[in-house]
Amino acid sequence: IQLTQSPSSLSASVGDRVTLTCRASQGINSNLAWYQKKPGKAPKLLIYTASTLQSGVPSRFSGSGSGTDFTLTISSLQPEDFATYYCQHFNSYPWTFGQGTRVEVK
Amino acid sequence: QLVQSEGGLVQPGGSLRLSCEASGFTLRSHNINWVRQAPGKGLEWISSVTVAGIYYESDSVRGRFTISTDNAKNSLYLHLSGLGAEDTAVYYCARFFTGAFDVWGRGAMVTVSP
Repeated sequence: IQLTQSPSSLSASVGDRVTLTCRASQGINSNLAWYQKKPGKAPKLLIYTASTLQSGVPSRFSGSGSGTDFTLTISSLQPEDFATYYCQHFNSYPWTFGQGTRVEVK
Repeated sequence: QLVQSEGGLVQPGGSLRLSCEASGFTLRSHNINWVRQAPGKGLEWISSVTVAGIYYESDSVRGRFTISTDNAKNSLYLHLSGLGAEDTAVYYCARFFTGAFDVWGRGAMVTVSP
C-alpha cells in the first residue's frame, strides 16, 4: 500500500488554517496515523485511527477520512507547528509512511 | 519511554547492534518497531516484532537485519549486517499502541562509510 501526501510543501503564516492530504493506493479503513517531525527530534504522534487526537496534542489539530482519502487540518497555525508531517497506515504490513508535507513560514 | 543506545560509524559490509530499552512498561507486551530516516529523506518503516514474536520487515532490509529480545533487561535489539551507504540513517525504535506509534526512542545515528 502506497501513501501519497500532498502538497509536498506549503508556505503559511501564523493563524492560517492548513489542510494536508494523504491518499492511499487502496482502502485502509481508518487505519491511519499522523505524525509531526522536527529536525533532530523523534516523530510525535498527533492523530491515530484517522481522527482520534492523541492525549496532550492541541485541539487545533484534527484528522478525518476513511478508505483512501485522509486529511490533517491545523485550524490556526502556531509558530511551533512549522515542521514536516507524515501519515502512516496500519492496514497491513509493510506499515508504510507517506513522503511527508513540509509546512514552512510564509 | 524508550531508551536507545548510541549508533556508530561502520564500514561498508559491516555489522552493528542497536538496543532499545523500555522504561515504564513491559516491552514484550507490545509490538515494537524500527523506523529510520536517511539524511534529507522521509521516514521509513523497516521492521516490527509482534507480541507473539512474529517478525515483519521491509524489502529494503530483508535478510540483513534481525531482531532479538532480552526480557530480563526489558530490551530489544536490532542487528544490522551487510550494511551499505543506503543504510546511513537515524534509527528509531517505537511502540505500537492503539493504532499508532505512540512512544519513540530518541534515535541512533548509523553512518556507513569507509
